Amino acid sequence: QVQLVESGGGVVQPGGSLRLSCAASGFTFSNYGMHWVRQVPGKGLEWVALIKYDGTDEYPGSVKGRFSLSRDNSKNTLSLQMNSLRPDDTAVYYCAKEGYGGYGCFDFWGQGTLVTVSS
Amino acid sequence: QSALTQPPSASGSPGQSVTISCTGTSSDVGGYYFVSWYQQHPGKAPKLMMYEVSKRPSGVPDRFSGSKSGNTASLTVSGLQAEDEADYYCSSYAGSNTVLFGGGTKLTVL
Repeated sequence: QVQLVESGGGVVQPGGSLRLSCAASGFTFSNYGMHWVRQVPGKGLEWVALIKYDGTDEYPGSVKGRFSLSRDNSKNTLSLQMNSLRPDDTAVYYCAKEGYGGYGCFDFWGQGTLVTVSS
Repeated sequence: QSALTQPPSASGSPGQSVTISCTGTSSDVGGYYFVSWYQQHPGKAPKLMMYEVSKRPSGVPDRFSGSKSGNTASLTVSGLQAEDEADYYCSSYAGSNTVLFGGGTKLTVL
């Protein structure tokens, strides 16, 4: 069965950096786009990053230039490098697998990892 | 790009039907048939309930249905059950590999 396990969350000061990881299993990782979606506790979902099967990446304006997504298809892992972190980046970060042809459909999600940006 | 617009809350009694709307623009909801819906129970990860407007993933009850008209997509839950009480989020492809989410709707089963 598909499993996505996030790690790397924690507390970081404003302006700092953090690297999140997602370990995937149960499917052919190299064939699928992978995303990160975040959720401020008690609030809604926000799409944060995409890396397609071919390595093409995309980000919304809120994190572009600060976040960078990479993948290691040999290890079935996804990494989100977050730099210049701000308090409004505080959220639970979910790793999600693209499904059903992609285009913003996420068919499996991890359980999330909490990132807190605070001094 | 702004978030898609959903009503903050919706409610219905067991057995009734409830519809949740998701309004965007011609650049997202209205421009593509790539609208998805997610159910999220407290403390849990979101679960895909609908994709490509009206397609149900395996295992999702047929009490859930989706539709779209113009810039507004809708999720209808028929025959409401207690376990349907959750937050529901819509999402839409918005071109250039980007995705927008709605603000979420809290569904209460009375």
